[in-house]
Amino acid sequence: KAGVTQTPRYLIKTRGQQVTLSCSPISGHRSVSWYQQTPGQGLQFLFEYFSETQRNKGNFPGRFSGRQFSNSRSEMNVSTLELGDSALYLCASSLTGSSPLHFGNGTRLTVT
Amino acid sequence: GIQVEQSPPDLILQEGANSTLRCNFSDSVNNLQWFHQNPWGQLINLFYIPSGTKQNGRLSATTVATERYSLLYISSSQTTDSGVYFCAVERNSGGGADGLTFGKGTHLIIQP
Repeated sequence: KAGVTQTPRYLIKTRGQQVTLSCSPISGHRSVSWYQQTPGQGLQFLFEYFSETQRNKGNFPGRFSGRQFSNSRSEMNVSTLELGDSALYLCASSLTGSSPLHFGNGTRLTVT
Repeated sequence: GIQVEQSPPDLILQEGANSTLRCNFSDSVNNLQWFHQNPWGQLINLFYIPSGTKQNGRLSATTVATERYSLLYISSSQTTDSGVYFCAVERNSGGGADGLTFGKGTHLIIQP
């Protein structure tokens, strides 16, 4: 069974631009969640989607948004990029949201 | 929000040694998971263990939910065990998924 797939692996953007990251969950998993990892703040929860509905959102500004499609694939969008948005963005899928989480390899975003 | 403290923050061991990593959390949880992040950044799920004891090869974990801590045991360490070990919890909120709160991790180095 294929794992969680994230694209792209690397991104370089400039301040003020927007970016869209993509995540394909493990087949059969209906929950997709997103996390941001930085050296200073560690791993932080962004949001979680289940059956196309956002069930919960972490403490991030409205510039961070996401969505989930009917095939469970998910995208997250960051608008008006800031230097502090540079991070590793990790997508994870699970069967229900409170079951074992399986992470993708991440997208490393650099904002210059 | 819930607090997660991991100890020790850093650990250097010789190959073949055993180790115990600890995770303390500040509130009741319905979800606790241990992850290993390898030097390439990939996060691997080791255990889903909100309570009780589990074993998987050289690794085992125990969670005592009533005392709000979990332990990860690594026996006969190998150099491939190097990396950062994260404990992550989700508080018992009565429904839905709140997202995992991660500790800062234990950075383990296994020397040959």
